[in-house]
Amino acid sequence: DTAVSQTPKYLVTQMGNDKSIKCEQNLGHDTMYWYKQDSKKFLKIMFSYNNKELIINETVPNRFSPKSPDKAHLNLHINSLELGDSAVYFCASSQTGQGRGIAKNIQYFGAGTRLSVL
Amino acid sequence: LAKTTQPISMDSYEGQEVNITCSHNNIATNDYITWYQQFPSQGPRFIIQGYKTKVTNEVASLFIPADRKSSTLSLPRVSLSDTAVYYCLVGTLNQAGTALIFGKGTTLSVSS
Repeated sequence: DTAVSQTPKYLVTQMGNDKSIKCEQNLGHDTMYWYKQDSKKFLKIMFSYNNKELIINETVPNRFSPKSPDKAHLNLHINSLELGDSAVYFCASSQTGQGRGIAKNIQYFGAGTRLSVL
Repeated sequence: LAKTTQPISMDSYEGQEVNITCSHNNIATNDYITWYQQFPSQGPRFIIQGYKTKVTNEVASLFIPADRKSSTLSLPRVSLSDTAVYYCLVGTLNQAGTALIFGKGTTLSVSS
């Protein structure tokens, strides 16, 4: 079973359209993330949810709206798509670490969703 | 989160040991050092994490000097499949949802 799964893997759409990307994790983690990787391969955090609560909301256009119906799911909805939104979007999850000696905040990433806006 | 500096690219041949050094002069007392690997068209994958001295797992070793201002990821006997981008990240990871700050990473190319 895939630990972090994203759908769709590829998304090609026209400018101005609205689209959603779904993410599910079966690891029992309490935190989920959305990252964006642009053409220069820089990977940047967009949002993070901990137990369905938004805890990180970086400076992204308000056309991007995350939704977490439960701890295992974090979806990303994008309104009025623009050319600059073309990128690979990665979902990730982690479990908040406690104590020393335990690997902390290891994030597990999905395979990514390649969004192309034409 | 502390800023990290690592080489943009490295080349190696199969069977060699590869050492990738990361500088993090502003590392804080509570910061951990974590390395991720990313293959083309895949998400980053955790390799190893450490706080001080040496950490070894089935994939790699991580060497951290006493001052912790740098760290070295060591990949023993690389193969073609180790060709990937390697990211060094430094930060305090105790808080829920701490975002990973990825730099440019080091692109490792392994040739036969």
